[in-house]
This record gives sequence, C-alpha cells and structure tokens, in this order.
Amino acid sequence: NAGVTQTPKFRILKIGQSMTLQCTQDMNHNYMYWYRQDPGMGLKLIYYSVGAGITDKGEVPNGYNVSRSTTEDFPLRLELAAPSQTSVYFCASSTAGLSYEQYFGPGTRLTVT
Amino acid sequence: AQTVTQSQPEMSVQEAETVTLSCTYDTSENNYYLFWYKQPPSRQMILVIRQEAYKQQNATENRFSVNFQKAAKSFSLKISDSQLGDTAMYFCAFMSGYNNNDMRFGAGTRLTVKP
Repeated sequence: NAGVTQTPKFRILKIGQSMTLQCTQDMNHNYMYWYRQDPGMGLKLIYYSVGAGITDKGEVPNGYNVSRSTTEDFPLRLELAAPSQTSVYFCASSTAGLSYEQYFGPGTRLTVT
Repeated sequence: AQTVTQSQPEMSVQEAETVTLSCTYDTSENNYYLFWYKQPPSRQMILVIRQEAYKQQNATENRFSVNFQKAAKSFSLKISDSQLGDTAMYFCAFMSGYNNNDMRFGAGTRLTVKP
C-alpha cells in the first residue's frame, strides 16, 4: 500500500517556466489537498478537491491550477513560475474532509530562480 | 481569520522525560477541530492527535495527550516518556467546523529528544 505518492521529489525551475506536480493516492479517498510550506512556517492550503471533477480554492491559490479527473490523481500546475513559489509542496488525502486524518505525501521541494 | 500561534520555536527534552508543547489559537467560532501533526526529518507529516471542540474530555493517544482549554483558546501537547523517535517538528493546526477549506497551521516547534 503506497499511500500518497508525489513526483518529482526535487525540481529547479527558471522564472517563467511551467510545471506540473503529480500526486497519486491508492486509498480510494475522495478528498485531496495541496499545501505549500515555506521555510520556518506551517502549511498553507492551496487547493482542495472533494471528488473527481470538483475542485476549490484554499487560502493561497494564486499562481496555481488543479484538476481532478480521477479519484486517484490530483495534479498541481504552476504557470509562469515566480521566486515566491519557491517552497515545499505537500499533497494529502482523507476519507471525508479536513476534520478527519489527512495522509500526506513526502513532498516536492521546488526552487524557482 | 483564524490564527494559530506556537510560541516555542525549539525545545529539547531528555529521553524518558515529559515535555509539553504550547499552542494558542484565535477564533470566534464555536465549532472547530484541533490537531497536532508531527513532521520528522523524512518530511512526511503524520497526525499525532485530534480534538473536537465540542468534546470536553482531552484526547489521548498512547504517550501523547492534550490539554484543551477552550475558554483560554489553548491546546497544548504533552509527550510522556519521550523517545528518540519523537524528534521532529510539531505543528498545531485549527480547522473550522463551518468552512471546509479553512485549515490553519502554526509555524511549528522543533523538538529534540536527547539520549
């Protein structure tokens, strides 16, 4: 049982480039989330999804896009990368919303230079 | 907006001793959830303990327990019989019971358990 997997583990982008962070879970969870963690800070919610085809914004959605075509996958798209998007990105899933235990992936460390 | 404050950036404790991590939060809501998450050096976040605001009884999970003081908006984590594997960042988090996308994390406390 792999849980929540994220790829890549590390990435360096140049300003203005785009990329997609992949997230897959094999627990059949309906809820999935994307967070970013800046140095010395707690996590901030970027986007979340309550099921295939349904997504919504979190606290810090600007500069990002998501899609949810299947229960398993929840990719995060960065368009026109900026230095302010340098962060560690975590994907998580849960059975029934944020009030329940979230299972986190190992994170993707992204640097934009 | 809800805020979560962890006033101890770093703490250390001797193995087998007890340590308490502090967390305060600010909200005008009456229905919410509180969490402590652990982030070891591997970086993967793990839920330690969860408390529903409407429950007066403090949550307990093995060596981990909380002191939930609703009126004071305080939610501290006590780790008993500390083990080397408890070394990690610990994050306190608040989730609104009314808004599905409102979850706030504190800045974290780095705990080191010394042998």
